[in-house]
Amino acid sequence: AQSVTQLGSHVSVSEGALVLLRCNYSSSVPPYLFWYVQYPNQGLQLLLKYTTGATLVKGINGFEAEFKKSETSFHLTKPSAHMSDAAEYFCAVKGGGGGSNYKLTFGKGTLLTVNP
Amino acid sequence: DVKVTQSSRYLVKRTGEKVFLECVQDMDHENMFWYRQDPGLGLRLIYFSYDVKMKEKGDIPEGYSVSREKKERFSLILESASTNQTSMYLCASSSPPRGFYGYTFGSGTRLTVV
Repeated sequence: AQSVTQLGSHVSVSEGALVLLRCNYSSSVPPYLFWYVQYPNQGLQLLLKYTTGATLVKGINGFEAEFKKSETSFHLTKPSAHMSDAAEYFCAVKGGGGGSNYKLTFGKGTLLTVNP
Repeated sequence: DVKVTQSSRYLVKRTGEKVFLECVQDMDHENMFWYRQDPGLGLRLIYFSYDVKMKEKGDIPEGYSVSREKKERFSLILESASTNQTSMYLCASSSPPRGFYGYTFGSGTRLTVV
């Protein structure tokens, strides 16, 4: 069965500092991995995804993530945080048991705070 | 772009009321999902549907039912609303079987049951 662990429910950084949000997954098949962002009182928006091919994936708003099979990780990074990056971030892996093969299993989320 | 529309952003209902949350997608997606989101618990799957009139229970179906009479519309029904169903409800749809590129989410409905 698939599962996702996001290390740190709350991460705080200074504006201009590196953003690193951690995600580890468990999957019985080659994983499809996703990062979503949620701004206050909104739905989730896709940041980036890994399906196959290049393991370093670039997304919107300057974010990127690297798929590391040996570490079962898919950490999200951004070189320089901006105030507008303050949001909640969710890591997800495709699959999650019975029924449709197109379900996503989500981590519990990491709230990113950016300090001026 | 795919659009997923949830009929209400904010909703206040009384305990015991029957509540309908509506979700419509405009890109012919096969799969549709209802999640609830609560602080510290992340997203929990209530029900999903992979075809018209087909539905499957997710992780927390108790107290909920769903309806999918047309491909583009997936409704979540709270048969008798209770205060512990106060939450953010998110609808999502996913791409056809020929490719999977993740979900597209609606903007969410924040339901308060008083």
